[in-house]
Amino acid sequence: EVQLEQSGAEVKKPLESVNISCTGSGYTFSGHWIAWVRQTPEKGLEFIGIIYPGDLAVKYSPSFEGRVTISADKSVSTAFLQFSRLRASDTGIYYCARGADYYDVWGPGTLVTVSS
Amino acid sequence: EIVMTQSPATLSVSPGDRATLSCGASRDIGHNLVWYQQKPGQPPRLLIYGASSRAAGIPARFSGSGSGTDFTLTIDSLQSEDFAVYFCQHYNNWPPWHTFGQGTKLEI
Repeated sequence: EVQLEQSGAEVKKPLESVNISCTGSGYTFSGHWIAWVRQTPEKGLEFIGIIYPGDLAVKYSPSFEGRVTISADKSVSTAFLQFSRLRASDTGIYYCARGADYYDVWGPGTLVTVSS
Repeated sequence: EIVMTQSPATLSVSPGDRATLSCGASRDIGHNLVWYQQKPGQPPRLLIYGASSRAAGIPARFSGSGSGTDFTLTIDSLQSEDFAVYFCQHYNNWPPWHTFGQGTKLEI
């Protein structure tokens, strides 16, 4: 079964950073793009960025570039999202999802709460 | 940036009815449109890609249509498990600036 598993919920203070992992199984991880998408009450679903684990090509949404780093380690079939200088408005569920254009497999989501 | 607008925000229907959900793009996106279903506490689930192709395992009562700026998701003979929130998403091949609509909640 094709699956994406994500790391657990995080509680952070403003200006802190958060690291989220996404581990794929049941398919060739290096051969498929992995996207990061977040869902917040204010803005709904937002595309953050995308990585191709095979060659580590990365693209970021202009809305997040500068605060986000996406990486991957194909040897452990895992992608990573690092989000820095967190604000209260970054509170939401962060998903990883497989696909370059649209997403056919999604992780369960990681709840990130930013609160002082 | 392309803006995706969904209507209505909420659609009240009954089991067995047909539901018609709309999604509009701020400029021509061809057939680069997908639909997702999301239930509470779950991630989105891919329903339709390429505006009209059903994803694997999606029942035939779900159908998508449209091109350019106007798209429709039709759900025939609504089942209880279909009551959820539906999102449309535009995609570019490159750069991958993928944008989502704000969602339509299908409720009884």
